[in-house]
Amino acid sequence: QSVLTQPPSASGTPGQRVTISCSGSSSNIGSNYVYWYQQLPGTAPKLLIYRNNQRPSGVPDRFSGSKSGTSASLAISGLRSEDEADYYCAAWDDSLSVYYVFGTGTKVTVL
Amino acid sequence: QITLKESGPTLVKPTQTLTLTCTFSGFSLSTSGVGVGWIRQPPGKALEWLALIYWNDDKRYSPSLKSRLTITKDTSKNQVVLTMTNMDPVDTATYYCAHEYYYDSSGLNWGQGTLVTVSS
Repeated sequence: QSVLTQPPSASGTPGQRVTISCSGSSSNIGSNYVYWYQQLPGTAPKLLIYRNNQRPSGVPDRFSGSKSGTSASLAISGLRSEDEADYYCAAWDDSLSVYYVFGTGTKVTVL
Repeated sequence: QITLKESGPTLVKPTQTLTLTCTFSGFSLSTSGVGVGWIRQPPGKALEWLALIYWNDDKRYSPSLKSRLTITKDTSKNQVVLTMTNMDPVDTATYYCAHEYYYDSSGLNWGQGTLVTVSS
């Protein structure tokens, strides 16, 4: 039931820059903030980006978020082995009622 | 420090009703702007948002699951309860609860999750 579309996988070598896209619609990304969550293997998701491009304290500035129209993206610069994880975008959706939607998820592999 | 912990049965039979409890600390659900919600993740699959309840008892539900879900709060016990009726094997998942602060759109703070298996 994912409403936001992400590529299933992305990869890079240590030090490279990786970008993950998140495509939505006017009722979610187009009119609300975008969030990004990181899920390391076997753990609960953790907030990575809020309000499109804000980092919670403790999140390295290698992670950055952006939004344009009905799409958003997460960039990881200076890729590190510990960045290998699943990444999910999310947003509130105002279409039928007000509810939260997640992306399909992207597995980032560090080669 | 905000912490949340999910509890409930690890195994339920098809057609039964699942009741999960989220017990939290570090905030109060009587504080304006605070919300607690539920998200699930089937093994190897993506996250799926289920429901959320706010300090003022405003409730939000996933449109696709609304008929099966009920979310309630007990402010005095610092708990939020989710019930899901008519459980099916496809509902097997890790269920997470999470905190949200409505006024600053600062995202979800998650509990550790609890795995629920639906099987006869």
